[in-house]
Amino acid sequence: GESVGLHLPTLSVQEGDNSIINCAYSNSASDYFIWYKQESGKGPQFIIDIRSNMDKRQGQRVTVLLNKTVKHLSLQIAATQPGDSAVYFCAENGSRDDKIIFGKGTRLHILP
Amino acid sequence: ETGVTQSPTHLIKTRGQQVTLRCSSQSGHNTVSWYQQALGQGPQFIFQYYREEENGRGNFPPRFSGLQFPNYSSELNVNALELDDSALYLCASSFFSGRTSTDTQYFGPGTRLTVL
Repeated sequence: GESVGLHLPTLSVQEGDNSIINCAYSNSASDYFIWYKQESGKGPQFIIDIRSNMDKRQGQRVTVLLNKTVKHLSLQIAATQPGDSAVYFCAENGSRDDKIIFGKGTRLHILP
Repeated sequence: ETGVTQSPTHLIKTRGQQVTLRCSSQSGHNTVSWYQQALGQGPQFIFQYYREEENGRGNFPPRFSGLQFPNYSSELNVNALELDDSALYLCASSFFSGRTSTDTQYFGPGTRLTVL
């Protein structure tokens, strides 16, 4: 597969603004999608999930939108805070062996 | 904190050696999945263990093997280490009810393996 190397896409957002992180998934048969946050030196942390029978789900300060027509997933973070700085991964689970497939990740950088 | 623990935190090995990594799952979980995360990339699925048996495997050679114990903890073993095996190894636990699983996986902090 293609190697991303060290150059993750980066999104820079002013503190207090809303952040929108986008993801295109690969498998039209996927029926479960998850967003993970990974801080430096730590394992991925579950943020929010959504099943394919929904197109929107809200959590605390976060919203996930699912567009199955174009196989697109987005994560919206309201009132972005310095603690939101991390790499964000979308993931899908739709294969018969139930493995989770991670996307390439987006680094969120918060500007003071 | 997820309640998933891994040991050791860091490990340095030389090419050709063998390594064993350990994972304790979160209380109430019965399934453990292992992932390899190279620097700057997303985690790649290695395999999953349920009821002490392998329940799905990614694109990794047979020198990657695992075990799950009756208490649901798990080990990842890698034989004949190669330089490209240097990565963060993550385990994730979940509860599988026996039907098709869409259960959330919770990750441990990982073990950083360096192969020289």
